[in-house]
Amino acid sequence: QSALTQPPSASGSPGESVTISCTGTSSDIGTYNFVSWYQQFPGRAPNLVIYDVHKRPSDVPDRFSGSKSGTTASLTVSGLQAGDEADYYCNSYAGDNNWVFGGGTRLTVL
Amino acid sequence: QVHLVDSGGGVVQPGRSLKLSCAASGFVFGAYGMHWVRQAPGKGPEWVAVIWVGGNNKFYTKSVRGRFTISRDDSKSMLFLQMDRLRVDDTAVYYCVKEGKPFGPFDSWGQGTLVTVSS
Repeated sequence: QSALTQPPSASGSPGESVTISCTGTSSDIGTYNFVSWYQQFPGRAPNLVIYDVHKRPSDVPDRFSGSKSGTTASLTVSGLQAGDEADYYCNSYAGDNNWVFGGGTRLTVL
Repeated sequence: QVHLVDSGGGVVQPGRSLKLSCAASGFVFGAYGMHWVRQAPGKGPEWVAVIWVGGNNKFYTKSVRGRFTISRDDSKSMLFLQMDRLRVDDTAVYYCVKEGKPFGPFDSWGQGTLVTVSS
């Protein structure tokens, strides 16, 4: 069982917005703002899309946004495109040099 | 441009050892903490180990502590993971990962190398 809880699937039509949740505890997401999100295509390594809760790497489109409330972080993908179809994983620093991941959410573009 | 190339994976019997390597380029290797992250088939990633800048501080996830050893050679821009007393549940793709800053994020990943532990 993964340390962070994500819904196994999410979906939306092209152009719509989808939000993926990531629930942790007071020991990880609830304490630290070191929350990041990764996009992974089949057979490929994960790729960073959001870090420090809401910051985007320079090469990630602004259709990707992140937020946090209490022990739950969220990733929102706006203006869905077919190329956004992938697995998405959240990650948080959990203190004492330990990091935890979520089990992943498969995003389907209908 | 950051480039991380993982190698050393393969099929190994339970209880045996294997050493993974990661060749880094495109950045000042010695200035960054480095991690190993693994992903079992069909599962989410799992953080395995970190080695801080300088190489003196190393930390591991509980399930590999005492069996795995992370190390680095800054003169050659290389990261290593010595895996001893391997178990079937160590089967996964292992990724070498660069951290963007202390405590995260994981901003660059190798292509991964598959380790299969099976009798």
